[in-house]
Amino acid sequence: QVQLQESGPGLLKTSETLSLTCNVSGGSVSSRGGFYWSWIRQHPGKGLEWIGYIYFTGSTYYNPSLKSRVTFSMDTSKNRFSLSLRSVTAADTAVYYCAKGPYGKKDVFDNWGQGILVTVSS
Amino acid sequence: DIQMTQSPSSVSASVGDRVTITCRASQGISDWLAWYQQKPGKAPKLLIFPASSLQSGVPSRFSGSGSGTDFILTISSLQPEDFATYYCQQGTTFPFTFGPGTTVDIK
Repeated sequence: QVQLQESGPGLLKTSETLSLTCNVSGGSVSSRGGFYWSWIRQHPGKGLEWIGYIYFTGSTYYNPSLKSRVTFSMDTSKNRFSLSLRSVTAADTAVYYCAKGPYGKKDVFDNWGQGILVTVSS
Repeated sequence: DIQMTQSPSSVSASVGDRVTITCRASQGISDWLAWYQQKPGKAPKLLIFPASSLQSGVPSRFSGSGSGTDFILTISSLQPEDFATYYCQQGTTFPFTFGPGTTVDIK
């Protein structure tokens, strides 16, 4: 059973860059033809926003709402993938989840990390 | 983007009640719809995908139906552990989008 765990700073200041990592155990981020690794966020007391995914090939998709500020990367040697969100504002305060879909599927999320609360303050 | 709406936004119910939640997509998504359950402080849990297929381990009191733009999640007999927020999500068109959620709380 694949397990996901987010890590990173919980507090940032406006204009800084948010960097989060999702550590994967019980499976390989680089499994050929395998999993799509997504980031999803949830503003406090609000709904869910899909940020995008990275695939084992390194291909990515970014939600247009964040595309200009976000970058995903993958470190196969450490079996993890990462999110970088530049120029954060208070509107980026949210719980950030990493998630994956079933084998070969990008469009649904059957396995989630516990989430990490990121607060942006001035 | 495909907009997902849910109704009601909240529902108060008692143990044993039948609960129905509706999800509507702003355009047709075939049966490419997922339902998730989220409890406070926890990550969402996938219940159903596609629209009527129960995930392994999910109790049979949960069921999903619908196709195109209109979908329903039904809990046939509400149990104490079912009090939570439920989200729908479409997976047919980028970017994938979620509904605003329906909270099921205790009457």
